[in-house]
Order: sequence, then C-alpha cells, then structure tokens
Amino acid sequence: GNSVTQMEGPVTLSEEAFLTINCTYTATGYPSLFWYVQYPGEGLQLLLKATKADDKGSNKGFEATYRKETTSFHLEKGSVQVSDSAVYFCALSSQGGSEKLVFGKGTKLTVNP
Amino acid sequence: EAGVAQSPRYKIIEKRQSVAFWCNPISGHATLYWYQQILGQGPKLLIQFQNNGVVDDSQLPKDRFSAERLKGVDSTLKIQPAKLEDSAVYLCASSLTAGRHNEQFFGPGTRLTVL
Repeated sequence: GNSVTQMEGPVTLSEEAFLTINCTYTATGYPSLFWYVQYPGEGLQLLLKATKADDKGSNKGFEATYRKETTSFHLEKGSVQVSDSAVYFCALSSQGGSEKLVFGKGTKLTVNP
Repeated sequence: EAGVAQSPRYKIIEKRQSVAFWCNPISGHATLYWYQQILGQGPKLLIQFQNNGVVDDSQLPKDRFSAERLKGVDSTLKIQPAKLEDSAVYLCASSLTAGRHNEQFFGPGTRLTVL
C-alpha cells in the first residue's frame, strides 16, 4: 500500500541555519505530494505541494522537489527563523479510489534564537 | 473566509462511555474528511464524504465508530463505546471537491482522552 517515511525528529537548529527534512514515499501510479505544517496550538496547514515529477513546490522560503527516480520529496529552507518552529508532515495523495492523504509521522522542528 | 470549525476542543471520558464530535466545513466545500491522529503519528483517514455520501470508510472501526453528514454540510463522528486506544486528536478537514490535487483545509481538532 501507499506509505510515507520521513526523518525522525526532533530537529533543533539555530536561527539562520539550513534546514532539510527528508521524505520518501511508496505509491502506485503518480501521486501528488504535499508538505503540511502544524504550528503550536493550531491546525494543519498546507505548506506546499507538487503534482508531477520534477515539479518544485515553494512557499514562505521553503522548497521541495518531486523526485520520481528516488521517490523523494525533501523539504528545504535556506535560513530558518524562530517562527518556523512547528511539526512538519509529508503526505501523498494517489490516483484512484478516494485519493486520500497518507501522512508520514511528522518531524518536530525547534529553532532557537 | 471562515475556516473549518470543530467542537468540542477537548473531551475527557472514561472507557466504555460514548462521545460525539462535530464539524462544520468551509462553506461550499463538497468533500469532508475525518482523521485520527494518535500522539507521535501522522493523521490517518477514518472516513471521507462527498456531499452526504461515503466515499471511503475502509479504516473506520465500524463496530464502535460511526459518522454522518446530513444535508451534505455539518458532520458528526461518534464513538460508542470508547476504548483506551481511542485517545487521540480527531481532525476534520474539507476540500472544494475530491481529487488528489485539491488542498484539504483542516480544523483545529478535538483532543480526546479516554481514561
């Protein structure tokens, strides 16, 4: 079945550090890929998405590229801020059926000043 | 634009009791989802509605969980009787329509603790 594996957390960085959160997936067909973010005390929000191979999703300085050959969708940001502290979830939505979202376990990021 | 509303935000019950959660999706959104998020894990889909019809309930424990979406707007998720392992955050989400490209908008969730 479809699944998402993302790097274990927690991740702690200093402000202005480079961020990478790894995400790989297993799916049939050509899934759409997403990164969702959950800030403390808030609901999940879509951060970025990519719907086909080699697409790059970007938002708020975050980027992720859909790599079909490595079945990956790693999240990157060049310079993190304290306000980026949150839990990040990688997810996929595959073709056919209910096209439901399948999530990874989440990676907690803490950015210190 | 108002977001997805859920209530209550928190609920504590004892095992074998029943509990119900309510969700009001974004106006005009045809598709509604209920997810269960156990601590330390990602959300897992329990049930998906398209208008008032069920699209996917393959992961809903039907012996104790039920959900309905009357009139294709609000939805209620019920657990009866609750077990300890049902302790989780229950998330409601909605999207304009079904489809793998469509963004799902999430509510704040209901945190359930079963003692």
